Amino acid sequence: AQTVTQSQPEMSVQEAETVTLSCTYDTSESDYYLFWYKQPPSRQMILVIRQEAYKQQNATENRFSVNFQKAAKSFSLKISDSQLGDAAMYFCAYRSPLGAGNMLTFGGGTRLMVKP
Amino acid sequence: NAGVTQTPKFRVLKTGQSMTLLCAQDMNHEYMYWYRQDPGMGLRLIHYSVGEGTTAKGEVPDGYNVSRLKKQNFLLGLESAAPSQTSVYFCASGRTGVSTDTQYFGPGTRLTVL
Repeated sequence: AQTVTQSQPEMSVQEAETVTLSCTYDTSESDYYLFWYKQPPSRQMILVIRQEAYKQQNATENRFSVNFQKAAKSFSLKISDSQLGDAAMYFCAYRSPLGAGNMLTFGGGTRLMVKP
Repeated sequence: NAGVTQTPKFRVLKTGQSMTLLCAQDMNHEYMYWYRQDPGMGLRLIHYSVGEGTTAKGEVPDGYNVSRLKKQNFLLGLESAAPSQTSVYFCASGRTGVSTDTQYFGPGTRLTVL
């Protein structure tokens, strides 16, 4: 079974600065999909970015980008020019292409605080 | 377009009581999921459905039942609530079984069992 680990329970960043959230995973599969979700105080889960393991190029979405290191099984999220609205819980998730129902396996989350 | 909605938003139960959580999606998605989120932990899959009339167990199914009588609705039932089921419950839906497909989440239901 796959596991996802987020080793930073909390992170803090100054507004307009850059912060990186860490995620590692354990899998024996060669093809899979990785996701970062944002959960603001409203509790709704919002997809931030996704990465296909077979793609070497790191995914980017505006101020959000990932550093995908397949050999190291690492999938970190970089937030540039942090904004107050970025404050939230961030969850890393793994999906196997072979898993029944395309289930997501989540990490424990990182709470990001943004200081004005 | 409402997306994924959940009813109710909050609920308090006494041990042994039963209740049903309703999830509805208006995106014509085939796949639907129920997760629970506990403090300090990521979401864990309870049950899921790959289409109308089908259900399957996820990672933590014990104490829960589900039904998918209509494509747009996915119900989660607690037959005899226990304090260990105090959690926030999330419903999600997905368009197809394609692995890159995004799961769309509802706003969550906070359940407290006394």
